[in-house]
Amino acid sequence: EADIYQTPRYLVIGTGKKITLECSQTMGHDKMYWYQQDPGMELHLIHYSYGVNSTEKGDLSSESTVSRIRTEHFPLTLESARPSHTSQYLCASSEWRQGDETQYFGPGTRLLVL
Amino acid sequence: GESVGLHLPTLSVQEGDNSIINCAYSNSASDYFIWYKQESGKGPQFIIDIRSNMDKRQGQRVTVLLNKTVKHLSLQIAATQPGDSAVYFCAEKANQGGKLIFGQGTELSVKP
Repeated sequence: EADIYQTPRYLVIGTGKKITLECSQTMGHDKMYWYQQDPGMELHLIHYSYGVNSTEKGDLSSESTVSRIRTEHFPLTLESARPSHTSQYLCASSEWRQGDETQYFGPGTRLLVL
Repeated sequence: GESVGLHLPTLSVQEGDNSIINCAYSNSASDYFIWYKQESGKGPQFIIDIRSNMDKRQGQRVTVLLNKTVKHLSLQIAATQPGDSAVYFCAEKANQGGKLIFGQGTELSVKP
């Protein structure tokens, strides 16, 4: 069982609101990731980080932003939520050492923007 | 471009039978592959991985086969159980420190 946590698990919010999705891991992993996933569909990488103060955009364009001030914490923020942001957001982390590249996932946050 | 895909969106098997879930990838430079299981309402869970210098790897009730010649990956589940019902994703990684690229999932349903 991976020690990676996401809050909230479910969020229903109105258009225009600012939201922050929290992700924390207690495994000391350097690399962290945010994916967006529509029901039953593949995962799309939207942000990742190699370590503290490192953030990179992923393959899927996203209006969200991330920060990495602490190793264990990688929050994702939407400044102004829109219905098109409705999706599931998955956080993951991995070691950065040769031979162990498995990404461990949190339970996800299901976001519904009205 | 790089892509990872699965041949079937759904697979239905009888409890106790063996299941085979397939995946095709297009990037011949990919050197690492992972299978994930995702149950409803949960995040993906690691099942098994394989590196490109291997063609087979076995775990508990699961086997991953890699055919680099035809860029094909498969997951075999022995004696499939109701608890195996989930969506299964394959993912590939092209180089050290590179990002994982996920394919479309295959939904496995196990009939009692």
